[in-house]
Amino acid sequence: DAGITQSPRHKVTETGTPVTLRCHQTENHRYMYWYRQDPGHGLRLIHYSYGVKDTDKGEVSDGYSVSRSKTEDFLLTLESATSSQTSVYFCAISPEGGVTEAFFGQGTRLTVV
Amino acid sequence: RKEVEQDPGPFNVPEGATVAFNCTYSNSASQSFFWYRQDCRKEPKLLMSVYSSGNEDGRFTAQLNRASQYISLLIRDSKLSDSATYLCVGTTGNQFYFGTGTSLTVIP
Repeated sequence: DAGITQSPRHKVTETGTPVTLRCHQTENHRYMYWYRQDPGHGLRLIHYSYGVKDTDKGEVSDGYSVSRSKTEDFLLTLESATSSQTSVYFCAISPEGGVTEAFFGQGTRLTVV
Repeated sequence: RKEVEQDPGPFNVPEGATVAFNCTYSNSASQSFFWYRQDCRKEPKLLMSVYSSGNEDGRFTAQLNRASQYISLLIRDSKLSDSATYLCVGTTGNQFYFGTGTSLTVIP
């Protein structure tokens, strides 16, 4: 299995609080992605990174920010959590972006109450 | 319009049956395609890549038709352990676009 770890695995937080999810990889892959998965919508891209300090928005980026200060870590921050951000969040890594396959972390189940 | 669309199913088939999933993509510039498998409450895992020439891995066969912009997955001799959701994926640039998944249940 690809060396990719997400933390925390489960979190319950209150509306309006900031939340940071962490994705850590040991594969030295260039590309890292954050997705959310919701029933009926499948996996939707939030943000992705193509290198240290290089990030770009995805389909559902509003209310989220990311940072990548090291190759191995990609952080996703919900600036002020809302109930609509209750979801399962997956991090993925890929050595060559859309040319090769992506490998997923185990996911973070986030509940905003 | 979603980049990748697939029939959500569910498909309920008996053990030993052959089942086929199809998926269409809207962007003719999409360059790579994959099938992933996702078990309940787990992360998606790569099942196989899809090539224009078609490719086979044991009981699984994947095909890509660029002219019609669809990909397919054929599972022969279905096993109980094949029960899962199957996601088709196309890539454009550096981004991966996922279908919403097709649910398969193999019945004893």
